[in-house]
Amino acid sequence: QVHLVESGGGVVQPGGSLRLSCVGSGFTFRTYDMHWVRQAPGKGLEWVAFIRFDGSSEEYADSVKGRFTISKDNSKGTLFLHMSSLRPADTAVYYCAKHRPVPDWGQGTVVTVSS
Amino acid sequence: DIQMTQSPPTLSASVGDRVTMTCRASQSISNWVAWYQVKPGKAPKLLIYKASSLQGEVPSRFSGSGSGTEFSLTISSLQPDDFATYYCQQYNSFHLTFGGGTKVELK
Repeated sequence: QVHLVESGGGVVQPGGSLRLSCVGSGFTFRTYDMHWVRQAPGKGLEWVAFIRFDGSSEEYADSVKGRFTISKDNSKGTLFLHMSSLRPADTAVYYCAKHRPVPDWGQGTVVTVSS
Repeated sequence: DIQMTQSPPTLSASVGDRVTMTCRASQSISNWVAWYQVKPGKAPKLLIYKASSLQGEVPSRFSGSGSGTEFSLTISSLQPDDFATYYCQQYNSFHLTFGGGTKVELK
């Protein structure tokens, strides 16, 4: 059974940094492309970032480009999202998700950007 | 980016009703569509993937159909636990995009 467990969320001041982690199990982590997706309070779902299975390429939403970095450690079965220059608009629940064929998601970690 | 237009935004229904919601993609996405159920304070629950494949232990009253640009999610007999917001998602592209959601509420 697929499990994705996010961690690393918390409260951070505007301009600060945070690193989220997502540990995957129950599937061959190293062969899967992965995403980060977020949901701000009272809002819909927003894709944040994508990484190829081998880490060879990355894609970012315009809203986070230049501030967030996605990475993947296949030896540890872990996906990361390094977030810097955080803004109040980045406040959201952050989810990691597998890509094709079955887009399983984790349970999320809460990031609050506030002074 | 591929746009996903979901309708209706709100759907008022009673327990036992058959309900259907739709998503239209701005370009062909084959069958790379997923449907999620979202409740307040909970993670999105995957219901349907590849347009029509039922995920895991999701009840069989949920079904998905479509290909190309037109997709739908049907609940054959609405149950009390089904009142929630539903989102479609395309994953044909690495840039995932989502519909605006359909809130299923009690009539």
